[in-house]
Amino acid sequence: AQSVTQLDSQVPVFEEAPVELRCNYSSSVSVYLFWYVQYPNQGLQLLLKYLSGSTLVKGINGFEAEFNKSQTSFHLRKPSVHISDTAEYFCAVRPYSSASKIIFGSGTRLSIRP
Amino acid sequence: DVKVTQSSRYLVKRTGEKVFLECVQDMDHENMFWYRQDPGLGLRLIYFSYDVKMKEKGDIPEGYSVSREKKERFSLILESASTNQTSMYLCASSLRDTSGNTIYFGEGSWLTVV
Repeated sequence: AQSVTQLDSQVPVFEEAPVELRCNYSSSVSVYLFWYVQYPNQGLQLLLKYLSGSTLVKGINGFEAEFNKSQTSFHLRKPSVHISDTAEYFCAVRPYSSASKIIFGSGTRLSIRP
Repeated sequence: DVKVTQSSRYLVKRTGEKVFLECVQDMDHENMFWYRQDPGLGLRLIYFSYDVKMKEKGDIPEGYSVSREKKERFSLILESASTNQTSMYLCASSLRDTSGNTIYFGEGSWLTVV
């Protein structure tokens, strides 16, 4: 079985400051890793995903994430946030062998202060 | 761009009513999903369909059923709505193969059962 832990339910930061949203996972099988963003009153959209290869993954809107296999982490980072990044962010994992068994974390709400 | 359309954004229904949530995707995706999203719980899979008339129960199927008569359309049915089914419902779709394909989400349907 897989599980995903997002360590912070809320992260407040000032505009133009850097941010890191933490995600740890547990799995006995190999998994793909994803970060999704949900803007207010909208569905989720993909920010980035790790399938294989380089452990540093770049996504949309200046976000990047690093896969650390030994620490089973996939933390999301942005060097300078904007008001428009205010949203909820979800980490997710999916086993290689399954199209349906996607496990989402409980989400981290990022709030940007001017 | 992939588009997943949920026909109703906001619904208010009475306890005991039969409720239909409709979802249509325009990218010929084999897989379709219904999730429920509640604060602090992330997304939980209700049902998954990998082909027309084919379905699998997810983590929380009790009180729900689904219908997939055409490839592009996946309906979620609440046979007898209850107040604990008040939630945000998200439909999603993806290609069939298991190579880390992105899941695309609709904008969500907010259901209130009174």
